[in-house]
Amino acid sequence: GAGVSQSPRYKVAKRGQDVALRCDPISGHVSLFWYQQALGQGPEFLTYFQNEAQLDKSGLPSDRFFAERPEGSVSTLKIQRTQQEDSAVYLCASSLGGFGGGGNEQFFGPGTRLTVL
Amino acid sequence: DQQVKQNSPSLSVQEGRISILNCDYTNSMFDYFLWYKKYPAEGPTFLISISSIKDKNEDGRFTVFLNKSAKHLSLHIVPSQPGDSAVYFCAANQAGTALIFGKGTTLSVSS
Repeated sequence: GAGVSQSPRYKVAKRGQDVALRCDPISGHVSLFWYQQALGQGPEFLTYFQNEAQLDKSGLPSDRFFAERPEGSVSTLKIQRTQQEDSAVYLCASSLGGFGGGGNEQFFGPGTRLTVL
Repeated sequence: DQQVKQNSPSLSVQEGRISILNCDYTNSMFDYFLWYKKYPAEGPTFLISISSIKDKNEDGRFTVFLNKSAKHLSLHIVPSQPGDSAVYFCAANQAGTALIFGKGTTLSVSS
């Protein structure tokens, strides 16, 4: 596809359930980012991959959050034992190079809206 | 503490007039600034950017101005069109670090 795709678009989970969110970046993009966007807020950085290497996971809010990109393309964000405060839109972005700037602008997917009941 | 602030949650403008969206930042080490536009149920779309060594960047109807001494940047849209109605996010970073986003400003352009 031409852009970043994410699935599912919407996910409802009961508190305590595990969820897995998928991101397909733009083909050839080396860098992949996950963000969390709460209602009325801007996106907040969670984690960053360069190819299959997770270079920065400083934004992950707890050890219940885990991300992987085993073959350097598709990535999965997993949240274990979901809590109500995990309810948010989870955005994935990819770029040719690094974090952004100088031609490394990030291209975002449509997001997955997670609701934890 | 927020490093990137968009103090106006919303802005209403008439079609054909200028829209000015503002953004303030606190980290003087930021060296790259970007504006993203977001429609409902879609991800943010890159609009325009500026590096800290410049004070102006123009792309069609969109111009971004950077005032480093005031730690302020603005996005000008001239002329505004109804299709410009969206949420606009300001973002900034230092080279090699994560983008930090503001909370966004909702622009409504009426015809």
